Amino acid sequence: GDSVTQMEGPVTLSEEAFLTINCTYTATGYPSLFWYVQYPGEGLQLLLKATKADDKGSNKGFEATYRKETTSFHLEKGSVQVSDSAVYFCALTPRRDTGFQKLVFGTGTRLLVSP
Amino acid sequence: DVKVTQSSRYLVKRTGEKVFLECVQDMDHENMFWYRQDPGLGLRLIYFSYDVKMKEKGDIPEGYSVSREKKERFSLILESASTNQTSMYLCASSSLDRNYEQYFGPGTRLTVT
Repeated sequence: GDSVTQMEGPVTLSEEAFLTINCTYTATGYPSLFWYVQYPGEGLQLLLKATKADDKGSNKGFEATYRKETTSFHLEKGSVQVSDSAVYFCALTPRRDTGFQKLVFGTGTRLLVSP
Repeated sequence: DVKVTQSSRYLVKRTGEKVFLECVQDMDHENMFWYRQDPGLGLRLIYFSYDVKMKEKGDIPEGYSVSREKKERFSLILESASTNQTSMYLCASSSLDRNYEQYFGPGTRLTVT
C-alpha cells in the first residue's frame, strides 16, 4: 500500500544551520506530496505542497522538491531559527480517479534548534 | 482565523468507561477526521465523515465509533475504554475540494488507567 518513510529524529541543530529532513514515499501512480508542521502544544498545519513531478513547494523559507525518479520529497531550509523547533510530518494523497483520497502520514521528525 | 477546537486538552478515564471526545470546526467544512498520534507510529486515521450523518472507517476503527449530527461537530466515542487506547487524539477538518489541506485541533491527550 501507499506509505511514507521519514528520517528518525530528533534532529538537533544550532541557529542559522542548514536543515534537511529526508522523506521518501511508496505509492501507485503519481501522488501529491505535503509537509505538515506541529509546533509544541498545537495541532498540525500545512507547511507546503507539490502536486506533480519537479514541482517545488515553498513557505516560510522551507522548500521541498517532488523527485519522481528517487520517490523523494526532502524538506530543506537554509538557516533555521529557534522558532522552527517542531515536529515535521511528510504526507501524501494517492492519485485516484474515484473515491476519497485520504492523507497518508509519515511518523514525524522532531527538530530541535538551539540558540 | 480558522479554528478547530477539541473539548479537552487532557483527560483521564478508567478502564471500561464510556468516553466522548468532541470536536467543533467553524469553517463550514464538509470533511472531518479523527486521528490518533502515537510515538513512532505517526498519525493513524480512525474515522472520517464527508457529510452530516455519514461516516467511513479509517485504518484503525476497532474499539471506536463516531457521531456527526451537525456539520460543525464530530464526536469520537470509546464505548469501553481500554489501556491500549491511551494516546493523543487529533481532530481535523477540510473542504470537499481540498481534502489534503486539513486543519487540525490542538489534540486531546487521553490516559486510560
